[in-house]
Amino acid sequence: DVKVTQSSRYLVKRTGEKVFLECVQDMDHENMFWYRQDPGLGLRLIYFSYDVKMKEKGDIPEGYSVSREKKERFSLILESASTNQTSMYLCASSRQGAYEQYFGPGTRLTVT
Amino acid sequence: QKEVEQNSGPLSVPEGAIASLNCTYSDRVSQSFFWYRQYSGKSPELIMSIYSNGDKEDGRFTAQLNKASQYVSLLIRDSQPSDSATYLCAVNGISGTYKYIFGTGTRLKVLA
Repeated sequence: DVKVTQSSRYLVKRTGEKVFLECVQDMDHENMFWYRQDPGLGLRLIYFSYDVKMKEKGDIPEGYSVSREKKERFSLILESASTNQTSMYLCASSRQGAYEQYFGPGTRLTVT
Repeated sequence: QKEVEQNSGPLSVPEGAIASLNCTYSDRVSQSFFWYRQYSGKSPELIMSIYSNGDKEDGRFTAQLNKASQYVSLLIRDSQPSDSATYLCAVNGISGTYKYIFGTGTRLKVLA
């Protein structure tokens, strides 16, 4: 059974804090993705990675960075959290190629 | 024009009826197409994937793809109140990349 896990379901941080969101998949997938989802805006791609230590910017990378040191783990970093980064953050993974993505449970981040 | 378009709904159908959800996409080179179900506050869950023209059936769900018309649909037979959710259409391979583009979703309400 496919499994993507995320480190926290709910997180509350203060403006200016550095925030780490972790994602782990156990399916040996090459591709991993970070999205944020906001009402009325749908899913927006922040970053994705197609291999260890490889990354590409998505549609909204500003204010975020990522790290992929191991195949199964993809981290999203908010360098200095701001209130407009309050959102639901979703991690996903897929096999190499145009195949199905599987999502983690999501992290609802609130920045105050 | 949005790359992937869905009617936001809500689409209301009585219990036991067929629910028909539609999605259009703009890029003719798109390779693969997915339907996800998302309950409020939860992450997207993969229902169906379809890669070639025609119909694909899985239980009560049927996905239909027409690449000439750039149209993909999802039929839910014998709709149940538990099917009430937002359904996201996703397309991969737009503009020759492996980027997934999501529609903003159609909210389905199945009335008991």
